[in-house]
Amino acid sequence: EAGVAQSPRYKIIEKRQSVAFWCNPISGHATLYWYQQILGQGPKLLIQFQNNGVVDDSQLPKDRFSAERLKGVDSTLKIQPAKLEDSAVYLCASSLAGGLGYEQYFGPGTRLTVT
Amino acid sequence: SQQGEEDPQALSIQEGENATMNCSYKTSINNLQWYRQNSGRGLVHLILIRSNEREKHSGRLRVTLDTSKKSSSLLITASRAADTASYFCASPYSGAGSYQLTFGKGTKLSVIP
Repeated sequence: EAGVAQSPRYKIIEKRQSVAFWCNPISGHATLYWYQQILGQGPKLLIQFQNNGVVDDSQLPKDRFSAERLKGVDSTLKIQPAKLEDSAVYLCASSLAGGLGYEQYFGPGTRLTVT
Repeated sequence: SQQGEEDPQALSIQEGENATMNCSYKTSINNLQWYRQNSGRGLVHLILIRSNEREKHSGRLRVTLDTSKKSSSLLITASRAADTASYFCASPYSGAGSYQLTFGKGTKLSVIP
């Protein structure tokens, strides 16, 4: 079974530039998550999708971050414009459903460096 | 805010020794999960223990849960160099119409060959 795919794996940009990350979840997984993991900390949820609808984006900085999951499969996360504090690993995860007890499967992440 | 906090922050042991990591959490939970993250890679789910369970085993892993103390521990027996990684505990909480995981800051385990 193919895992969660993410690209690119690494990205270096200057502040105020834009960047986009792509995620392809495990086939059949209805729920998709984007996490931000700053160095030395645990992942923090940014946004959760159920199929192509947003379930929770309360921790997404909406003035600069946006995400979409067209057709309920692939998803993109965009940052525009980037700030130095956005340097982090962005993890995508998926699960069969969003209820209690469903295991989340994580992709390898995209390491973003903002200079 | 983070629900779980792991202790210690870092742990270094010799290969073959046992490693114990602890997690404390703040509010009532339905279950608690442990994840492993190797350097430069995503997280891998290790084990889930439900609130009505006290102990669970998976291979060389043993997880305990004490809901009265709001704490859990992860024991890795007969450690190997390949166990070198960061270990996170995570618990679900009810967010805006869904259940989400909150992660602690992790314990960084180094197993020396």
